[in-house]
Amino acid sequence: GAVVSQHPSWVICKSGTSVKIECRSLDFQATTMFWYRQFPKQSLMLMATSNEGSKATYEQGVEKDKFLINHASLTLSTLTVTSAHPEDSSFYICSGQGYGYTFGSGTRLTVV
Amino acid sequence: KQEVTQIPAALSVPEGENLVLNCSFTDSAIYNLQWFRQDPGKGLTSLLLIQSSQREQTSGRLNASLDKSSGRSTLYIAASQPGDSATYLCAVEETSGSRLTFGEGTQLTVNP
Repeated sequence: GAVVSQHPSWVICKSGTSVKIECRSLDFQATTMFWYRQFPKQSLMLMATSNEGSKATYEQGVEKDKFLINHASLTLSTLTVTSAHPEDSSFYICSGQGYGYTFGSGTRLTVV
Repeated sequence: KQEVTQIPAALSVPEGENLVLNCSFTDSAIYNLQWFRQDPGKGLTSLLLIQSSQREQTSGRLNASLDKSSGRSTLYIAASQPGDSATYLCAVEETSGSRLTFGEGTQLTVNP
């Protein structure tokens, strides 16, 4: 079946640094990649939608300069959290759309 | 704006019980509805997808029903097992290829 490989699975970084999260669709072409954020015991909140080769569309309240999304190919999308702060600590999940939706395994980001 | 609600928020049952998880959505004009499972700190695994024209879908011990007109779906789990312990999320897709709107999930614990 379709697989989205998400890396890293967890990362700890210092406040002020940037962190890149990668999502690769391994056996299908993800024309669209969705990026979600999830707080403990809460549901998934859509942050942005990216289509291959075009700029991402961000949800209201999500800072596009802070959460940089690149979808340069049909199999790779990246989310970079720039100048991370402790309040950015969260669980980030990507979802690739090819045949239905396939979710990555998530990245636990902790900013100290 | 579509809103998805899941009841109960948490459920604890002894092994072997049959149980029902509920999901309701405010806008009945949906393309499909999906049920996902999420284990702690992990991504989402798709369990069942019901197209808007369908009434139910079954997979093993799982049965999902959809009543689009009333904006409701249920996930029935038969003969629950400790391995079923997880958070169950329902999500609606309003049009083909559009975002998924998630409920906040039901955290299920099946006690041996």
